[in-house]
Amino acid sequence: AQKVTQAQTEISVVEKEDVTLDCVYETRDTTYYLFWYKQPPSGELVFLIRRNSFDEQNEISGRYSWNFQKSTSSFNFTITASQVVDSAVYFCALSPTGANSKLTFGKGITLSVRP
Amino acid sequence: NAGVTQTPKFQVLKTGQSMTLQCAQDMNHEYMSWYRQDPGMGLRLIHYSVGAGITDQGEVPNGYNVSRSTTEDFPLRLLSAAPSQTSVYFCASSRDRASYEQYFGPGTRLTVT
Repeated sequence: AQKVTQAQTEISVVEKEDVTLDCVYETRDTTYYLFWYKQPPSGELVFLIRRNSFDEQNEISGRYSWNFQKSTSSFNFTITASQVVDSAVYFCALSPTGANSKLTFGKGITLSVRP
Repeated sequence: NAGVTQTPKFQVLKTGQSMTLQCAQDMNHEYMSWYRQDPGMGLRLIHYSVGAGITDQGEVPNGYNVSRSTTEDFPLRLLSAAPSQTSVYFCASSRDRASYEQYFGPGTRLTVT
Protein backbone atom coordinates (compact mmCIF):
# COMPACT_ATOMS: atom_id res chain seq x y z
CA ALA A 1 0.00 0.00 0.00
CA GLN A 2 1.11 3.53 -0.66
CA LYS A 3 0.94 6.40 1.78
CA VAL A 4 1.83 10.08 1.64
CA THR A 5 2.17 12.08 4.84
CA GLN A 6 2.12 15.85 4.96
CA ALA A 7 2.50 16.46 8.67
CA GLN A 8 2.13 20.23 8.42
CA THR A 9 -1.53 21.16 8.01
CA GLU A 10 -1.34 24.96 7.97
CA ILE A 11 1.58 27.33 7.56
CA SER A 12 1.45 31.11 7.74
CA VAL A 13 4.35 33.30 6.64
CA VAL A 14 4.95 36.93 5.83
CA GLU A 15 5.68 37.84 2.25
CA LYS A 16 9.32 37.39 1.19
CA GLU A 17 9.96 34.67 3.77
CA ASP A 18 11.20 31.30 2.57
CA VAL A 19 8.96 28.34 3.39
CA THR A 20 9.45 24.58 3.13
CA LEU A 21 6.59 22.15 2.76
CA ASP A 22 7.39 18.64 3.93
CA CYS A 23 6.33 15.39 2.28
CA VAL A 24 7.14 11.87 3.46
CA TYR A 25 5.99 8.81 1.53
CA GLU A 26 5.76 5.06 1.90
CA THR A 27 5.68 2.56 -0.95
CA ARG A 28 6.76 -1.00 -1.65
CA ASP A 29 7.32 -0.24 -5.31
CA THR A 30 10.94 -0.07 -6.41
CA THR A 31 10.14 2.61 -8.97
CA TYR A 32 7.56 5.31 -8.58
CA TYR A 33 6.73 8.92 -9.31
CA LEU A 34 6.32 11.80 -6.87
CA PHE A 35 4.28 14.91 -7.60
CA TRP A 36 3.41 18.27 -6.17
CA TYR A 37 0.13 20.01 -7.02
CA LYS A 38 -1.12 23.46 -6.06
CA GLN A 39 -4.77 24.23 -5.38
CA PRO A 40 -5.38 27.99 -5.25
CA PRO A 41 -8.55 29.42 -3.67
CA SER A 42 -10.29 29.13 -7.05
CA GLY A 43 -10.22 25.36 -6.59
CA GLU A 44 -8.49 23.99 -9.66
CA LEU A 45 -5.50 21.67 -9.35
CA VAL A 46 -2.29 22.93 -10.87
CA PHE A 47 0.53 20.51 -11.65
CA LEU A 48 3.91 21.72 -10.35
CA ILE A 49 6.39 18.89 -10.74
CA ARG A 50 6.86 15.17 -11.27
CA ARG A 51 9.98 13.39 -10.05
CA ASN A 52 10.99 9.86 -11.00
CA SER A 53 12.26 7.71 -8.12
CA PHE A 54 15.56 6.95 -9.81
CA ASP A 55 16.36 10.61 -10.39
CA GLU A 56 17.48 12.12 -7.10
CA GLN A 57 18.72 15.38 -8.51
CA ASN A 58 17.22 18.40 -6.87
CA GLU A 59 15.24 20.70 -9.11
CA ILE A 60 14.83 24.45 -9.16
CA SER A 61 12.24 26.37 -11.14
CA GLY A 62 12.30 30.08 -10.44
CA ARG A 63 11.37 30.57 -6.77
CA TYR A 64 10.43 26.90 -6.40
CA SER A 65 12.82 24.11 -5.51
CA TRP A 66 12.37 20.47 -4.64
CA ASN A 67 14.59 18.24 -2.53
CA PHE A 68 14.16 14.51 -3.11
CA GLN A 69 15.89 12.18 -0.65
CA LYS A 70 15.20 8.51 -1.27
CA SER A 71 17.10 7.51 1.90
CA THR A 72 14.55 9.32 4.07
CA SER A 73 11.57 8.87 1.69
CA SER A 74 11.06 12.60 1.53
CA PHE A 75 10.21 15.01 -1.28
CA ASN A 76 10.19 18.50 0.20
CA PHE A 77 9.16 21.68 -1.58
CA THR A 78 10.67 25.08 -0.85
CA ILE A 79 9.29 28.43 -1.96
CA THR A 80 11.87 31.18 -1.81
CA ALA A 81 10.80 34.79 -1.23
CA SER A 82 7.14 33.84 -0.89
CA GLN A 83 4.43 36.00 -2.42
CA VAL A 84 0.75 36.48 -1.63
CA VAL A 85 -0.10 34.61 -4.85
CA ASP A 86 1.56 31.52 -3.38
CA SER A 87 -1.31 31.23 -0.89
CA ALA A 88 -2.93 27.88 -1.68
CA VAL A 89 -3.26 24.29 -0.59
CA TYR A 90 -0.30 22.20 -1.70
CA PHE A 91 -0.58 18.46 -2.23
CA CYS A 92 2.18 15.92 -2.48
CA ALA A 93 1.26 12.74 -4.36
CA LEU A 94 2.73 9.37 -5.30
CA SER A 95 2.01 6.90 -8.09
CA PRO A 96 3.48 3.60 -9.21
CA THR A 97 5.59 3.80 -12.34
CA GLY A 98 3.40 3.27 -15.35
CA ALA A 99 0.21 4.04 -13.44
CA ASN A 100 -0.04 7.79 -13.49
CA SER A 101 -3.78 7.52 -13.16
CA LYS A 102 -3.44 6.02 -9.67
CA LEU A 103 -2.26 8.90 -7.55
CA THR A 104 -2.16 8.66 -3.78
CA PHE A 105 -2.39 12.15 -2.31
CA GLY A 106 -1.34 13.55 1.02
CA LYS A 107 -3.88 15.54 2.98
CA GLY A 108 -2.48 18.85 1.85
CA ILE A 109 -0.83 21.86 3.46
CA THR A 110 -2.63 25.19 3.55
CA LEU A 111 -0.11 27.96 2.99
CA SER A 112 -1.08 31.53 3.80
CA VAL A 113 1.27 34.30 2.76
CA ARG A 114 0.49 37.62 4.45
CA PRO A 115 1.50 40.92 2.90
CA ASN B 1 -8.85 22.34 -27.17
CA ALA B 2 -11.02 22.40 -24.02
CA GLY B 3 -8.90 19.98 -21.97
CA VAL B 4 -10.88 18.15 -19.28
CA THR B 5 -14.45 19.34 -18.78
CA GLN B 6 -16.84 18.39 -16.01
CA THR B 7 -20.55 19.00 -15.67
CA PRO B 8 -22.33 20.12 -13.64
CA LYS B 9 -20.22 22.52 -11.55
CA PHE B 10 -22.61 22.32 -8.61
CA GLN B 11 -25.33 19.83 -7.69
CA VAL B 12 -27.61 19.28 -4.73
CA LEU B 13 -29.24 15.88 -4.33
CA LYS B 14 -31.57 14.35 -1.82
CA THR B 15 -30.59 11.11 -0.11
CA GLY B 16 -31.47 8.16 -2.32
CA GLN B 17 -31.46 10.03 -5.61
CA SER B 18 -29.19 8.94 -8.43
CA MET B 19 -27.22 11.04 -10.83
CA THR B 20 -24.29 10.99 -13.24
CA LEU B 21 -21.32 13.32 -13.11
CA GLN B 22 -19.99 13.91 -16.58
CA CYS B 23 -16.34 14.07 -17.56
CA ALA B 24 -14.97 14.54 -21.05
CA GLN B 25 -11.53 15.18 -22.52
CA ASP B 26 -10.60 16.14 -26.05
CA MET B 27 -6.91 15.27 -25.89
CA ASN B 28 -7.26 11.60 -26.92
CA HIS B 29 -5.90 10.52 -23.55
CA GLU B 30 -5.92 6.84 -22.65
CA TYR B 31 -6.01 7.23 -18.89
CA MET B 32 -8.87 8.79 -16.96
CA SER B 33 -9.63 8.88 -13.25
CA TRP B 34 -12.14 10.11 -10.72
CA TYR B 35 -11.11 11.50 -7.34
CA ARG B 36 -13.07 12.94 -4.46
CA GLN B 37 -11.76 15.69 -2.21
CA ASP B 38 -12.96 16.01 1.36
CA PRO B 39 -11.76 18.57 3.92
CA GLY B 40 -8.60 17.39 5.64
CA MET B 41 -8.48 14.20 3.55
CA GLY B 42 -6.72 15.24 0.38
CA LEU B 43 -7.91 13.59 -2.82
CA ARG B 44 -8.82 9.93 -2.93
CA LEU B 45 -9.10 7.78 -6.03
CA ILE B 46 -12.58 6.41 -6.72
CA HIS B 47 -12.26 4.63 -10.09
CA TYR B 48 -9.90 4.79 -13.01
CA SER B 49 -9.70 3.63 -16.60
CA VAL B 50 -6.68 2.72 -18.71
CA GLY B 51 -8.59 2.80 -21.97
CA ALA B 52 -12.02 2.45 -23.56
CA GLY B 53 -13.80 -0.57 -22.15
CA ILE B 54 -11.39 -1.00 -19.22
CA THR B 55 -12.10 0.28 -15.71
CA ASP B 56 -10.91 -0.60 -12.24
CA GLN B 57 -11.54 0.39 -8.65
CA GLY B 58 -9.52 2.86 -6.68
CA GLU B 59 -9.35 3.45 -2.95
CA VAL B 60 -13.00 4.43 -2.30
CA PRO B 61 -15.22 2.83 -4.99
CA ASN B 62 -18.29 1.93 -2.92
CA GLY B 63 -21.47 3.69 -4.02
CA TYR B 64 -20.08 4.67 -7.42
CA ASN B 65 -20.15 3.09 -10.87
CA VAL B 66 -18.18 3.97 -13.97
CA SER B 67 -17.99 2.90 -17.57
CA ARG B 68 -15.77 3.93 -20.47
CA SER B 69 -17.48 3.32 -23.77
CA THR B 70 -15.44 5.96 -25.61
CA THR B 71 -11.95 7.38 -25.20
CA GLU B 72 -13.38 10.85 -24.59
CA ASP B 73 -15.96 10.24 -21.86
CA PHE B 74 -15.75 8.80 -18.36
CA PRO B 75 -19.01 9.35 -16.45
CA LEU B 76 -19.32 8.68 -12.72
CA ARG B 77 -22.68 7.37 -11.51
CA LEU B 78 -24.02 7.67 -7.99
CA LEU B 79 -26.60 4.92 -7.67
CA SER B 80 -28.28 6.03 -4.43
CA ALA B 81 -26.80 9.21 -3.04
CA ALA B 82 -25.87 9.39 0.64
CA PRO B 83 -24.78 12.38 2.75
CA SER B 84 -21.32 10.76 3.02
CA GLN B 85 -20.93 11.39 -0.72
CA THR B 86 -21.02 15.15 -0.21
CA SER B 87 -17.68 16.15 -1.67
CA VAL B 88 -15.86 17.85 -4.51
CA TYR B 89 -15.27 15.48 -7.40
CA PHE B 90 -12.37 15.82 -9.80
CA CYS B 91 -11.89 14.03 -13.07
CA ALA B 92 -8.39 13.69 -14.51
CA SER B 93 -6.77 12.37 -17.66
CA SER B 94 -3.28 11.57 -18.88
CA ARG B 95 -1.97 10.59 -22.27
CA ASP B 96 -0.62 7.15 -21.37
CA ARG B 97 1.29 5.32 -18.68
CA ALA B 98 4.48 7.21 -19.42
CA SER B 99 2.90 10.62 -19.62
CA TYR B 100 4.33 13.43 -17.57
CA GLU B 101 1.28 14.87 -15.91
CA GLN B 102 -2.37 14.39 -15.23
CA TYR B 103 -4.76 17.07 -16.37
CA PHE B 104 -7.51 17.78 -13.88
CA GLY B 105 -10.96 19.11 -14.62
CA PRO B 106 -12.40 22.07 -12.69
CA GLY B 107 -14.36 19.88 -10.28
CA THR B 108 -18.01 19.27 -9.37
CA ARG B 109 -19.23 20.28 -5.93
CA LEU B 110 -21.91 17.81 -4.81
CA THR B 111 -24.08 18.20 -1.73
CA VAL B 112 -26.36 15.38 -0.59
CA THR B 113 -29.01 16.36 1.94
